[in-house]
Amino acid sequence: ETGVTQTPRHLVMGMTNKKSLKCEQHLGHNAMYWYKQSAKKPLELMFVYSLEERVENNSVPSRFSPECPNSSHLFLHLHTLQPEDSALYLCASSQGHIESYEQYFGPGTRLTVT
Amino acid sequence: LAKTTQPISMDSYEGQEVNITCSHNNIATNDYITWYQQFPSQGPRFIIQGYKTKVTNEVASLFIPADRKSSTLSLPRVSLSDTAVYYCLVGDSGNTGKLIFGQGTTLQVKP
Repeated sequence: ETGVTQTPRHLVMGMTNKKSLKCEQHLGHNAMYWYKQSAKKPLELMFVYSLEERVENNSVPSRFSPECPNSSHLFLHLHTLQPEDSALYLCASSQGHIESYEQYFGPGTRLTVT
Repeated sequence: LAKTTQPISMDSYEGQEVNITCSHNNIATNDYITWYQQFPSQGPRFIIQGYKTKVTNEVASLFIPADRKSSTLSLPRVSLSDTAVYYCLVGDSGNTGKLIFGQGTTLQVKP
């Protein structure tokens, strides 16, 4: 238990669906992150939020839309995804986004796009 | 961020000490060295971080030579539950939260 929870843990969606992934951290951290981990590929950073402001958007397609309503919650809204978007989506948090080598990761959401 | 190179995989047996070496020839003066562990279908977990010489915590030791162009993660007396992927990352303290993960080293501990 890392103090970072993610729901749902598994999600199957069609290419025309709209769904959202939720992340919540109970650590009092100020920075939150979304990562994507595809099969046999390294983790890829998608978005970074610091104090609810997006500070990094790593050339992610617009079909992925993040939202950070407060420092404890982070969402990833999904729409019109492609099968190649199937992956493990990981949320993480850290005390700050600078000097943030100690990031705490959630268990991830296993997404399958059919 | 400096690129890192580590072995793709390693095998060990229970009770042995495991040393995983990471090369980072282009490490910059301000860069720290950080190691993460990831079990299947879980998020990575921070293990240890260091800048130079030796760092030890309850889980592992990190050895960094004077030139800092490599580092070695040492896991004492591994058990089956240490089977995981281990990632070496380097980066400076002024980054924007960018942890750049490579392929990592898959450690298989056998009984």
